[in-house]
Parts: sequence; structure tokens; C-alpha cells
Amino acid sequence: GAVVSQHPSWVICKSGTSVKIECRSLDFQATTMFWYRQFPKQSLMLMATSNEGSKATYEQGVEKDKFLINHASLTLSTLTVTSAHPEDSSFYICSARSPRGSYSNQPQHFGDGTRLSIL
Amino acid sequence: ELKVEQNPLFLSMQEGKNYTIYCNYSTTSDRLYWYRQDPGKSLESLFVLLSNGAVKQEGRLMASLDTKARLSTLHITAAVHDLSATYFCAVDSTSGTYKYIFGTGTRLKVLA
Repeated sequence: GAVVSQHPSWVICKSGTSVKIECRSLDFQATTMFWYRQFPKQSLMLMATSNEGSKATYEQGVEKDKFLINHASLTLSTLTVTSAHPEDSSFYICSARSPRGSYSNQPQHFGDGTRLSIL
Repeated sequence: ELKVEQNPLFLSMQEGKNYTIYCNYSTTSDRLYWYRQDPGKSLESLFVLLSNGAVKQEGRLMASLDTKARLSTLHITAAVHDLSATYFCAVDSTSGTYKYIFGTGTRLKVLA
């Protein structure tokens, strides 16, 4: 099956610092990637849609200046949490959209997630 | 706005018992996905349901889709402890961007 790699898997940092999370599709080109956030015991909430070569589309209520998304190549999207604060602590999961007709009709393939803890 | 609700939110059951998890969604969609999530982990794909009446089975789990009722079910047969996890359904949004809207999740605990 399709492989999506997410790095780092776990990060702890001090309040006020910026943290970058990488999402790579290893065996297909992904023109579109998605970033989700999941708080403990809650569902996944879509934050933004990352489009290769263009600006990301953010969901309502997500601050685009705080969560910077860059999708500079067909295999890599990055999410940077700027000036992170304790309330940004969460589990962040990316997914990559596979080309139509591939991978058993599954449009999205998920990374392993990044657990972000802001002290 | 597309909403996806699951019922129940939490389920505790004895090994060997059967139970069904329900996933209701608020607008038309002919694709629905079921995922499993273990604590601290990402999502594991279980089923892809692509049309009305679709039924898929894998081991003790069986999923079905009724697009007219906007309802999907995940049936558990003779539960075992290893099935303890959180189960999510997800629906394609209607915007054509393949965005998923996830259900509220069902935390399943199977007691030995």
C-alpha cells in the first residue's frame, strides 16, 4: 500500500518556539495533502488542504499565520506551528491524496502522526 | 455543512458478544470509509465503501453502506479483546476536493 512518512513523531518544545512537521509521500506524487489536528479523546479535525505550487486552503477558524503550510514539491508538505503555546499541544496527522484509480480507491493515505507538546 | 455522527460514542462489551456501530451523515455522499485508531497511533484503514448497498467483511468486522438513509454500520461479531480501539467513519465532502469529514468516533473496549 501507499506509504506516507511524517516526521518527527514526537516533539516537545518551549512556549514561543516554532515547530516544523514534515509529511512525505514515498511512493506516489501527491498534488494535494491534508493536515488534521486531533485533541485527546476527540475526532480528527481538518485544518487545511495543501496544494502543490499554490497557497493552502484553510478551514474556518484555523489561523493561517499561525499554521504555515508549504507544499513545494509533489512529495513533501510541511506544517510550521509558529510561536507555539500550550494550547497548540495536540496530535497532528497528515494525509496525501493518491492519484485517481490507484491504491484500491482510497483517496487519502495517512501519516503516522506527530505528537506536539508545548511546555 | 456536512456533519457525521457516530453512535455510540463509547462501547464496553464482553468478549464473544455482537454489536453494531452506526455512522450517520447529513448530506449526499456515495463514499464512506472506516478507520481504526489505537491509542497514540494514526489511522488504519479498515473498509472503503463506494456505492449504495456495499457490504464488506474482514474477519470479525463487517461494514455496510446505505446512501439513501445516509447511514453506514460497522458490525462486530464475537468480539475479542484485540478489537479494543477507537473506530472512525469518514465521508467525502461534496466540494470535489476529496476532503474527509470524520465522525465523532466510537471508543470500543472489549472486556475479557
